[in-house]
Amino acid sequence: TQLLEQSPQFLSIQEGENLTVYCNSSSVFSSLQWYRQEPGEGPVLLVTVVTGGEVKKLKRLTFQFGDARKDSSLHITAAQPGDTGLYLCAGARGANNLFFGTGTRLTVIP
Amino acid sequence: ETGVTQTPRHLVMGMTNKKSLKCEQHLGHNAMYWYKQSAKKPLELMFVYNFKEQTENNSVPSRFSPECPNSSHLFLHLHTLQPEDSALYLCASSQDIGRGSNQPQHFGDGTRLSIL
Repeated sequence: TQLLEQSPQFLSIQEGENLTVYCNSSSVFSSLQWYRQEPGEGPVLLVTVVTGGEVKKLKRLTFQFGDARKDSSLHITAAQPGDTGLYLCAGARGANNLFFGTGTRLTVIP
Repeated sequence: ETGVTQTPRHLVMGMTNKKSLKCEQHLGHNAMYWYKQSAKKPLELMFVYNFKEQTENNSVPSRFSPECPNSSHLFLHLHTLQPEDSALYLCASSQDIGRGSNQPQHFGDGTRLSIL
């Protein structure tokens, strides 16, 4: 059973465009984390959202946690080539067990 | 040296070989994790250790054997692996699992394992 589905799976856009990545589940999570993984490296935490409806901004990245704490979105404004990577959402349940999503592989073309 | 360090970065082995993956963290954390990352699959949690004690074994085959001698070091001993075990193996650490589920996990850069 796949707890967290991310969409789209792959996304290729031109520099300067906006995009949104979705992370959906039928399960409730106590918090949700977003990571970015670049080729040859491990995932790096971008943000943690905890409260239903919470919105967090990190420069050009905006993260939202759904009201029911079952889903989340990541919006990138004016994408840059440095945003290229694999974006992973991860829902927390229980004692720090993270359930990772299927991932969205983003390519930003200069 | 800071962060989470994994060695080796790449490993090619035959199905009858025995090898070990090493993970070391310099963050003062007490929880350590092994994950498997395969193409087209989400990260799969394999093992969790908290204060050197194994707290989770996610139905991992016995050909994978973890060892945690102290809170800073984690090993994954490999024996008689199968071709489908080829993947990126990631180690992570966090403060400790008793502090709740919101704490971040810090990942190493992984060991790319290929089974011939």
